[in-house]
Amino acid sequence: QSVLTQPPSASGTPGQRVTISCSGSSPNIGSNTVNWYQQLPGTAPKVLIFSNNQRPSGVPDRFSGSKSDTSASLAVSGLQSEDEADYYCAAWDDSLNGWVFGGGTKLTVL
Amino acid sequence: QVQLVQSGAEVKKPGASVRVSCKTSAYPFTDYYMHWVRQAPGQGLEWIGWIDPNSGVTNLIQRFQGRVTLTRDTSISTAYMELSRLRSNDTAVYYCARILPTDYGDYPDYWGQGTLVTVSS
Repeated sequence: QSVLTQPPSASGTPGQRVTISCSGSSPNIGSNTVNWYQQLPGTAPKVLIFSNNQRPSGVPDRFSGSKSDTSASLAVSGLQSEDEADYYCAAWDDSLNGWVFGGGTKLTVL
Repeated sequence: QVQLVQSGAEVKKPGASVRVSCKTSAYPFTDYYMHWVRQAPGQGLEWIGWIDPNSGVTNLIQRFQGRVTLTRDTSISTAYMELSRLRSNDTAVYYCARILPTDYGDYPDYWGQGTLVTVSS
């Protein structure tokens, strides 16, 4: 049972815009920033978004993040086949004194 | 080129201990925190803790306190994660990740390739 809640799956066709939600609570998303990770099969996760809406260099601007109260979301616009992967949200949790993750969302490009 | 190279896969019996190493190169080892994360087969990510390689200070999420020890050897730029009293549900891929501090917040910018630890009788 993950501390942060994500939908298990999402899908879209090439070129579409897809959003993935992440729901938390006061000690985590409500009090701290959110990171988003992309994980391709058999590889280590990679940060797409940090501090709610910041992109590391090299991450396409098709990926964007936002946060409101105790929820966050990741948007992928101009969907491409290579975006098919698992996506995880994460935030620091003040009560657990550690990072907590969502259960992950498998994005399928139809 | 920054690299984090982890030790190879391990198979352990329940009750045993395992130590995973994370050898770094091409950056000042003591300048960046190191985090450890695990992922059970087909499951999501789980954060274990971090170590400050400069001071050796560690922070573990509560469920791992008492079973996980994070250490480092600055002379060889290597971080270690030791997990004791292994159980079958500790079977997972264990990752080390370097934390990059920025003005907006910290995030893991380089990861090891992962080490599969299998616990089986």
